[in-house]
Amino acid sequence: GEDVEQSLFLSVREGDSSVINCTYTDSSSTYLYWYKQEPGAGLQLLTYIFSNMDMKQDQRLTVLLNKKDKHLSLRIADTQTGDSAIYFCADRSGGSYIPTFGRGTSLIVHP
Amino acid sequence: SAVISQKPSRDICQRGTSLTIQCQVDSQVTMMFWYRQQPGQSLTLIATANQGSEATYESGFVIDKFPISRPNLTFSTLTVSNMSPEDSSIYLCSAADPEAGELFFGEGSRLTVL
Repeated sequence: GEDVEQSLFLSVREGDSSVINCTYTDSSSTYLYWYKQEPGAGLQLLTYIFSNMDMKQDQRLTVLLNKKDKHLSLRIADTQTGDSAIYFCADRSGGSYIPTFGRGTSLIVHP
Repeated sequence: SAVISQKPSRDICQRGTSLTIQCQVDSQVTMMFWYRQQPGQSLTLIATANQGSEATYESGFVIDKFPISRPNLTFSTLTVSNMSPEDSSIYLCSAADPEAGELFFGEGSRLTVL
């Protein structure tokens, strides 16, 4: 089946930029998502990008998509302790309404 | 964006009992889904809740264990039947209008089965 891979952990210093990476295998992916999950909470949709885009910026968040390499990244500028959470990458193909999720990257922000 | 409310937010249940989780969306949506997130794991899709008809279950999930209702476009329930400790998980409701691309989640229902 289709697969979405993420590294499990990322540790950054407060104020630095964080880059969370994701690779996927479905060449027909049309939507690619980033979700944030804080402890004990549900998933918050941070942003998503359509496959015909290669970049999307929203305040401190920048999403880069390399469709050739099937690589998606989420950059968080000026990372704060409140950004500590698990970040899930997901993709969805146009033929399906159901996204495939990665295992999540646990972002730890330390002073 | 859609706001999704789930209840209960958490519960502690006894082995062998059943619990029904409710999901309410603040707008009409085409698609509603139920996911399970076991401790430290990613999300696993249980089923797609279909309005007015039987849910579509993913491999490994059956209606007898996880009966689902969806009487209208904004409400769905998931029942976890005859619970065992292995059912201890977060259960998440999600909703989407696929033409819009966005998929939203509720806050989840954290079940602990003793």
